[in-house]
Amino acid sequence: GAGVSQSPSNKVTEKGKDVELRCDPISGHTALYWYRQSLGQGLEFLIYFQGNSAPDKSGLPSDRFSAERTGGSVSTLTIQRTQQEDSAVYLCASSRGLSGGAGETQYFGPGTRLLVL
Amino acid sequence: QQQVKQSPQSLIVQKGGISIINCAYENTAFDYFPWYQQFPGKGPALLIAIRPDVSEKKEGRFTISFNKSAKQFSLHIMDSQPGDSATYFCAASRLDTDKLIFGTGTRLQVFP
Repeated sequence: GAGVSQSPSNKVTEKGKDVELRCDPISGHTALYWYRQSLGQGLEFLIYFQGNSAPDKSGLPSDRFSAERTGGSVSTLTIQRTQQEDSAVYLCASSRGLSGGAGETQYFGPGTRLLVL
Repeated sequence: QQQVKQSPQSLIVQKGGISIINCAYENTAFDYFPWYQQFPGKGPALLIAIRPDVSEKKEGRFTISFNKSAKQFSLHIMDSQPGDSATYFCAASRLDTDKLIFGTGTRLQVFP
């Protein structure tokens, strides 16, 4: 079965440009997460979607970051006016979301490597 | 504020040896403690996980030891193999959310 897919796999952009990163979760998974992994750092939570509930945006580092999830499936993370410190690997994960709480296995995609010049 | 502290940052072990990675957490509301394994160019994958109602969980060569009073948990890899060479992340989450708080990772290298 297909896992979580992300596109593009690599993105190079110039400072100040906007970028869109896409995530296709595992079919049937209702929960979707975005994390950021900077060089030598752990994974940093960004945003979490669960079904039709309002997303948990508590991890977004600034108002330049936003995300949406259309039709309860595909998600897009948008970074406006990119800065060099935005360079990182952006990881998407999905889970069944059945329990509504801790303990659901999160399945990660391969990530999008973003480089802001 | 880092809620999950992980050590060591890197670890070199000989084939057949025991690899031990430690994590400490601060938030007593954490209720779920998974370990993820990440190979270069790949996303992390769940390796093993534990809840605080047990002190140890073993799956094959991988064991989590959990000390609730000390707010610490560790990953032990027995009979370490070169194929275990990867980066390992501990994580924690609360009962009411699936949001994972990750440690900073440990790069494990197992030499033959």
